[in-house]
Amino acid sequence: GQNIDQPTEMTATEGAIVQINCTYQTSGFNGLFWYQQHAGEAPTFLSYNVLDGLEEKGRFSSFLSRSKGYSYLLLKELQMKDSASYLCAVTDSNYQLIWGAGTKLIIKP
Amino acid sequence: ETGVTQTPRHLVMGMTNKKSLKCEQHLGHNAMYWYKQSAKKPLELMFVYNFKEQTENNSVPSRFSPECPNSSHLFLHLHTLQPEDSALYLCASSQEDGGSYEQYFGPGTRLTVT
Repeated sequence: GQNIDQPTEMTATEGAIVQINCTYQTSGFNGLFWYQQHAGEAPTFLSYNVLDGLEEKGRFSSFLSRSKGYSYLLLKELQMKDSASYLCAVTDSNYQLIWGAGTKLIIKP
Repeated sequence: ETGVTQTPRHLVMGMTNKKSLKCEQHLGHNAMYWYKQSAKKPLELMFVYNFKEQTENNSVPSRFSPECPNSSHLFLHLHTLQPEDSALYLCASSQEDGGSYEQYFGPGTRLTVT
């Protein structure tokens, strides 16, 4: 079957760095997305990786290793507003999006 | 209005009621989606419409009935729901040209079935 694994919850301190991991087993691979979802709000797009390596976008970076079926989202200089759920999703060989359950990130002062 | 809008934002209904959820996208996209989001579970894709044609129906019970009158509007008609159908229902849209494209989500309808 198809599966996306990510930690259920993580806690980090304001100003610090946190890495949220995502591993996947899917039938084929056509890209990996990270979305951010604040409580009670819509998921919003953060990043897209289709080739191996690191994509940097301001305080957020996303890494992909296709051979390992692995990605991470790196958040630097954490702010209280970064408290949210982070969703990992993979596009399979049929271009269907397979979603992880999300990682709830709690930022403490 | 910009992006993807959904109404109502909150809905409480009894198991014998009939109600409809509405979604509208103002992005000129050609694909629209209905998702169910339950606590601590992955997003569950329910229906996909591409150019107004339904291309996906992931074994959703018939008490959920989608309607896509044009590429900007999507409805989800609900009848004789069960308490386990209580969840956040998200609508999304994207521009599908045969590749991987980000989806834009609406704020969702929080549905409670009593």
